[in-house]
Amino acid sequence: DQQVKQNSPSLSVQEGRISILNCDYTNSMFDYFLWYKKYPAEGPTFLISISSIKDKNEDGRFTVFLNKSAKHLSLHIVPSQPGDSAVYFCAASLDLNFGNEKLTFGTGTRLTIIP
Amino acid sequence: DAGVTQSPTHLIKTRGQQVTLRCSPKSGHDTVSWYQQALGQGPQFIFQYYEEEERQRGNFPDRFSGHQFPNYSSELNVNALLLGDSALYLCASSFADRTYEQYFGPGTRLTVT
Repeated sequence: DQQVKQNSPSLSVQEGRISILNCDYTNSMFDYFLWYKKYPAEGPTFLISISSIKDKNEDGRFTVFLNKSAKHLSLHIVPSQPGDSAVYFCAASLDLNFGNEKLTFGTGTRLTIIP
Repeated sequence: DAGVTQSPTHLIKTRGQQVTLRCSPKSGHDTVSWYQQALGQGPQFIFQYYEEEERQRGNFPDRFSGHQFPNYSSELNVNALLLGDSALYLCASSFADRTYEQYFGPGTRLTVT
C-alpha cells in the first residue's frame, strides 16, 4: 500500500523556468511533510518541510504548497538551475508525538534541468 | 561538523550469509533510523533506535535486527540473506524530539548473489 505517491517518475525543465514536482498521499493522519533531494551515490538531503497547519512554506528558490483537502503537496523551484538536477523524494510523517515520527517516502521524481 | 557516515560503501554477499552494516550519526544527534531503498523505489523504514533500544519498527522480518551503542552509533544486521535483500541501505540520524527531520548518510550498497 503506497501511502505517498509521486506519479511522475521524471520531469525535464528548461533552465530558468519553474519546476513543479507533485506528491499525493492517502493517509489523512500524516501531519508533517518533507522534500528530500538525492544525487547519485549520496544519501537524500533534506530540502524543505511543511506542517499540516500551514498551506505554504518558502525557502529561497524553493516553495512547498500543501492542499490538505486534496491530500496533495507540490514543490516549486524557481528559477530552476542545472544543479537542481537530482531525484526528489516526497516524505510524510504521522503525528509529531515523541516516538512516532518515522518517514514514509514516495518513489521519487527525477528532475532534469536543461541548460 | 561531520555528517552521517556509513560503512562499508559496497558489499557483496551470498544467499544465506549474514551481514552487518554500520552507521555513525551526525554530531549531536541521538536517534538513528535505518531504511532500505530498492532500485527505483523510495526508502522504506526498517527501524529506529533511541537510547539503545528499538523504538519503532517497519514491516520487515525478524531477520533484520539492529543495535545502538552508548555513543549513539548503530549497526544493522541481516541474517539468512535473500536475493531480495539487495538494496541500498540508508542510515539517518536526528534529535529525539525532531525525528521528522532526518539527515541521511550516503548508504551501503548490498548485493546478494
